[in-house]
Amino acid sequence: SAVISQKPSRDICQRGTSLTIQCQVDSQVTMMFWYRQQPGQSLTLIATANQGSEATYESGFVIDKFPISRPNLTFSTLTVSNMSPEDSSIYLCSVESSGNTIYFGEGSWLTVV
Amino acid sequence: GENVEQHPSTLSVQEGDSAVIKCTYSDSASNYFPWYKQELGKRPQLIIDIRSNVGEKKDQRIAVTLNKTAKHFSLHITETQPEDSAVYFCAASNQAGTALIFGKGTTLSVSS
Repeated sequence: SAVISQKPSRDICQRGTSLTIQCQVDSQVTMMFWYRQQPGQSLTLIATANQGSEATYESGFVIDKFPISRPNLTFSTLTVSNMSPEDSSIYLCSVESSGNTIYFGEGSWLTVV
Repeated sequence: GENVEQHPSTLSVQEGDSAVIKCTYSDSASNYFPWYKQELGKRPQLIIDIRSNVGEKKDQRIAVTLNKTAKHFSLHITETQPEDSAVYFCAASNQAGTALIFGKGTTLSVSS
């Protein structure tokens, strides 16, 4: 299975600021995914990060709010821009590895005050 | 797009009993169905998965069944233990083939 590292693991952010979350994988992967899990809720796919092309966003998520970078096959970043309390969530990076199995990073717990 | 429905939302059982969680999906092209367990304050952990060419898969006390015709799949936990208490999520692969769409989760409580 892939080893996925996320930074930061937790942060408390001020309203109106932006925060960039990093996701590092220990092997090259074609596709990386970003999910959001709001308190007490399920996981919602934000976007698929593809190396060499723009990310593909799901309905309800836009690039201006959640810009994503994918500079190579082992790394991606998700920025949460102009944060409000409603952005307080766990943000999870995931990758496909070992034959279509999806693994998750530890998650980044963000609280916006 | 894909839609995954999960039932029940909460489930309380006595230690030693069995627990069953059911999910239905909408996209007949989906071919990968994992189950995740999430304990409080932790990330989702894959516990078992099944692919569309298999009808049933078992791993010790955990089993998953898949009915592609009816588009539903179920998680079965036998001889439940208090440490099985957690939120369980089912998921299905979407049209792109690898990104997952999740059910809303089931909170399982096992009392001793």
